[in-house]
Amino acid sequence: EVALVESGGGLVQPGGSLRLSCAASGFNVTSKSMDWVRQAPGQGLEWVSIVYSDGRTHYAVSVKGRFTISRDTSKNTLYLQMNSLRADDTAVYYCAREVAATIGSFYYYMDVWGKGTTVTVSS
Amino acid sequence: DIQMTQSPSSLSASVGDRIIITCRASQTISNYLNWYQQKPGKAPQVLMFGASRLQSGVPSRFIGSGTGTHFTLTISSLQPEDFATYYCQQGYNTPWTFGQGTKVEVK
Repeated sequence: EVALVESGGGLVQPGGSLRLSCAASGFNVTSKSMDWVRQAPGQGLEWVSIVYSDGRTHYAVSVKGRFTISRDTSKNTLYLQMNSLRADDTAVYYCAREVAATIGSFYYYMDVWGKGTTVTVSS
Repeated sequence: DIQMTQSPSSLSASVGDRIIITCRASQTISNYLNWYQQKPGKAPQVLMFGASRLQSGVPSRFIGSGTGTHFTLTISSLQPEDFATYYCQQGYNTPWTFGQGTKVEVK
């Protein structure tokens, strides 16, 4: 069965760091593109970052230069290193597997999501 | 970045009702449009990709349409398990962007 389990969230002071993990099962994290998506309390979904299957990465402007996405093949785990955290980074962070449906063109969407891990940035 | 705008932000409906949620993109995205459903305290789940293609296991009462900049999600006969928040997301280019969500509540 394909599943994702996030961990590593918690309470951190402004300016601090945190590393989120996303353990995958049922598939290899390097075989698919993987995303981080966050949701601030009572708000909508905000895409954060992607690591493509070829290793390229991309970030939302709001986190670029502060967050780093990576993956560990041996542990089959996705990571999000978050530095210089701010109050507006407070959110539930989800990891998601991205797949491509090939129907003429490639249609990319997030088909498997973890349950999320909560990050609170507060003094 | 491509901006996605949903309407309405919320709606009240009854079981059996037909409802329509609209999603507009700030530029053309062809049919690279996905729909997700999220229930309170849960992760989102994909309903539809390519604007109109149902994800495996999703009931046929969910109907997606549109191309270019204007898209709709129709639930033909609302069921009790459909009360949730729905998000559109463009899959045209990164950064992926979501609409602000439409909360479907019990009337």
